[in-house]
Amino acid sequence: QKEVEQDPGPLSVPEGAIVSLNCTYSNSAFQYFMWYRQYSRKGPELLMYTYSSGNKEDGRFTAQVDKSSKYISLFIRDSQPSDSATYLCASSTDSWGKLQFGAGTQVVVTP
Amino acid sequence: KAGVTQTPRYLIKTRGQQVTLSCSPISGHRSVSWYQQTPGQGLQFLFEYFSETQRNKGNFPGRFSGRQFSNSRSEMNVSTLELGDSALYLCASSPTTRGGETQYFGPGTRLLVL
Repeated sequence: QKEVEQDPGPLSVPEGAIVSLNCTYSNSAFQYFMWYRQYSRKGPELLMYTYSSGNKEDGRFTAQVDKSSKYISLFIRDSQPSDSATYLCASSTDSWGKLQFGAGTQVVVTP
Repeated sequence: KAGVTQTPRYLIKTRGQQVTLSCSPISGHRSVSWYQQTPGQGLQFLFEYFSETQRNKGNFPGRFSGRQFSNSRSEMNVSTLELGDSALYLCASSPTTRGGETQYFGPGTRLLVL
């Protein structure tokens, strides 16, 4: 069983809708939680980074971490076709070193 | 500030050959990690280097090795290539400040083994 589980999708939403993505993890020692966006044939791009529990907002993106339920979420408001990509959640015990990734969720935002 | 750079971007090799990939981290970043990405296994951690020392290692065979230089640039080497080594190899750098920034990825090197 992988330490970070993520539904691979695809998830299709109409333009302007809220995209809701989530992951679960099993390692209680994880303290750092990240969301990366990856376009086809490109490297992952860091979107959100959270230390420990709580919410973090950056523009249209909101990341939530609930350590009691080992659940991490990403919400994208007012989705755009340019948001169509694969979204990867990742967790680690330190801010460097080994990141454990989920499988990635493919998101398609249709005009 | 320039991002993580990786060379070459694309590579075609045949089984049994060896390959060396290069990574230049973001200026000031001292930790470099390597990951393999395949459609079947996703992103998997290979190893991490800090101050020229391997600090973490993933579950890959000894054919996969790496090193880091005094300027934090890193190389990874794969010997005796197998078809299953075809993948996107990603390098990520981090300043290693506890509680600070996390890892930033380069564009990757796409390796095809024939």
